[in-house]
Amino acid sequence: AQTVTQSQPEMSVQEAETVTLSCTYDTSESDYYLFWYKQPPSRQMILVIRQEAYKQQNATENRFSVNFQKAAKSFSLKISDSQLGDAAMYFCAYRSRLQGAQKLVFGQGTRLTINP
Amino acid sequence: GAVVSQHPSRVICKSGTSVKIECRSLDFQATTMFWYRQFPKQSLMLMATSNEGSKATYEQGVEKDKFLINHASLTLSTLTVTSAHPEDSSFYICSASSGGPWGTQYFGPGTRLTVL
Repeated sequence: AQTVTQSQPEMSVQEAETVTLSCTYDTSESDYYLFWYKQPPSRQMILVIRQEAYKQQNATENRFSVNFQKAAKSFSLKISDSQLGDAAMYFCAYRSRLQGAQKLVFGQGTRLTINP
Repeated sequence: GAVVSQHPSRVICKSGTSVKIECRSLDFQATTMFWYRQFPKQSLMLMATSNEGSKATYEQGVEKDKFLINHASLTLSTLTVTSAHPEDSSFYICSASSGGPWGTQYFGPGTRLTVL
């Protein structure tokens, strides 16, 4: 079974600075999807960014980018120019591409605090 | 796009009563819906997966007779907590996916259930 590990329970960053959240996963599959979701204090889960494993190019969405290292099974999230609204729990998630696979496997989450 | 609603957002009930939570995809057809439970400061725990018109698939350890899931249409799934007890108090979140290669899940805002 696949597992996702977020080794940083909490992180903090100064507003306007850059922060990187780490995520590692364990799988024997070669093709899969990876996601980062954000859960602000409202508790609404919001998709931040996603990556296909067979694409070597790192995904980017405005201030959010990933560093996908397939061999190392690492999928870190970089937030540039941090804003107060980025404060939230961030969850890394894995989904298999096997036919019929639908479930997301979540990491434990990292709580990000933005210091003004 | 990809908006998922949940109703109610909060519910308080007496022990022994049943509570129904609705999950709706507002602007897309959800072939698959998921129900999660989230304890304070923890990650999301998948309870069950439901495909429209089919019986739900429950995760190990989740009582299917206690947590009744119905996915009667492509835009609506319901979770009924039967004979609720204080230990069922939690935050329940649904998500919906329209399928496709990504199978991205879009999440509802969650329902806070308190059982007295």
